[in-house]
Amino acid sequence: GENVEQHPSTLSVQEGDSAVIKCTYSDSASNYFPWYKQELGKRPQLIIDIRSNVGEKKDQRIAVTLNKTAKHFSLHITETQPEDSAVYFCAASSRLSGNQFYFGTGTSLTVIP
Amino acid sequence: DTEVTQTPKHLVMGMTNKKSLKCEQHMGHRAMYWYKQKAKKPPELMFVYSYEKLSINESVPSRFSPECPNSSLLNLHLHALQPEDSALYLCASSQDRVPTNEQFFGPGTRLTVL
Repeated sequence: GENVEQHPSTLSVQEGDSAVIKCTYSDSASNYFPWYKQELGKRPQLIIDIRSNVGEKKDQRIAVTLNKTAKHFSLHITETQPEDSAVYFCAASSRLSGNQFYFGTGTSLTVIP
Repeated sequence: DTEVTQTPKHLVMGMTNKKSLKCEQHMGHRAMYWYKQKAKKPPELMFVYSYEKLSINESVPSRFSPECPNSSLLNLHLHALQPEDSALYLCASSQDRVPTNEQFFGPGTRLTVL
């Protein structure tokens, strides 16, 4: 089955700086890579996703890049704000897994004002 | 309606109790999921229903019993739970099981087993 690794497990940045979270996956059949943000006591919410036919996707301060050859994808947050503080999970899924999401272990991001 | 709702928000139960968790969506989604989440850990998949049929059961103990009465509703029946079952139980739904479909999560039920 798929194995998704996520690094770092914790990340502290100064407000206004950039944050980068990296994930690797093992199954070359994986073709959908969502990123979820989960604030304390809240539900996971999709912030951005990328499909395997695309190398990069941006949405305002958030971007995701995908390298299919190396089997890794990354979340980039620019101009970080205190409200970006949360736990971020990457995931991978494939047709073979029937849309079963394999989640990374999570990154706890703290943005210091 | 673009939300997944779950009731109750919090539940405290003893090891001999029977209780049920409820999940509802009105987005016309045909795949629904139960996850268990411990603090600061990723959600762990428990069950998947596709078109009201159970399609994945991730070796979950029989003290957890899922039910999908119709395409909008998903229940999780709980019986004889253990303290280690205390966790946040999340329901999610997606349009179907095509792998490029976003899963929408409900707010969860915080379960405490005494």
